[in-house]
Amino acid sequence: GAVVSQHPSRVICKSGTSVKIECRSLDFQATTMFWYRQFPKQSLMLMATSNEGSKATYEQGVEKDKFLINHASLTLSTLTVTSAHPEDSSFYICSARASHSYNEQFFGPGTRLTVL
Amino acid sequence: GNSVTQMEGPVTLSEEAFLTINCTYTATGYPSLFWYVQYPGEGLQLLLKATKADDKGSNKGFEATYRKETTSFHLEKGSVQVSDSAVYFCALIISANSGYALNFGKGTSLLVTP
Repeated sequence: GAVVSQHPSRVICKSGTSVKIECRSLDFQATTMFWYRQFPKQSLMLMATSNEGSKATYEQGVEKDKFLINHASLTLSTLTVTSAHPEDSSFYICSARASHSYNEQFFGPGTRLTVL
Repeated sequence: GNSVTQMEGPVTLSEEAFLTINCTYTATGYPSLFWYVQYPGEGLQLLLKATKADDKGSNKGFEATYRKETTSFHLEKGSVQVSDSAVYFCALIISANSGYALNFGKGTSLLVTP
């Protein structure tokens, strides 16, 4: 099956710093990638939809200046959490959708962000 | 709008017991429906899916039937194993305006004891 990787798997940073998370589709081209956030014992909440070569579409309530998304190629999307604060601590998950399949997404293993 | 409601856990079963996790949905149009599983410390994996009414998705002994009349997609397994302990998410595909992003239920934690 298709594989999506995320890097890093976990990161600890100080408050006020920025953190970049990478999401890569390893064996297929992903025209669309999604970024989700998962709080402990809760569901995944869609943060934004990222299309290659265009600006990301953010869900209501998600600050686009805080969560910068770049989808520079058909295999790579990045999420940068700028000026991170402890309330940004969470589990961030990306998924990728192949261009030929509208209803199949492949998920990365997630990135655990802890802001001190 | 589109939404998914699934039974709250945690659900605790003995090995070989019958499992049902209820899932109902609200959607405009005809969504595709999914069950994803998240094992401890791992990412989400697609367990099964159904794309139209009366379709039955099945995988690893799990089944779910897309019931349009009851707007449901309940997950069942006849005999659970300890290795099935995980969190199960029901989900549907949102419209094309969101690039076909998934809309998840809150998840149901399953613990199977020996």
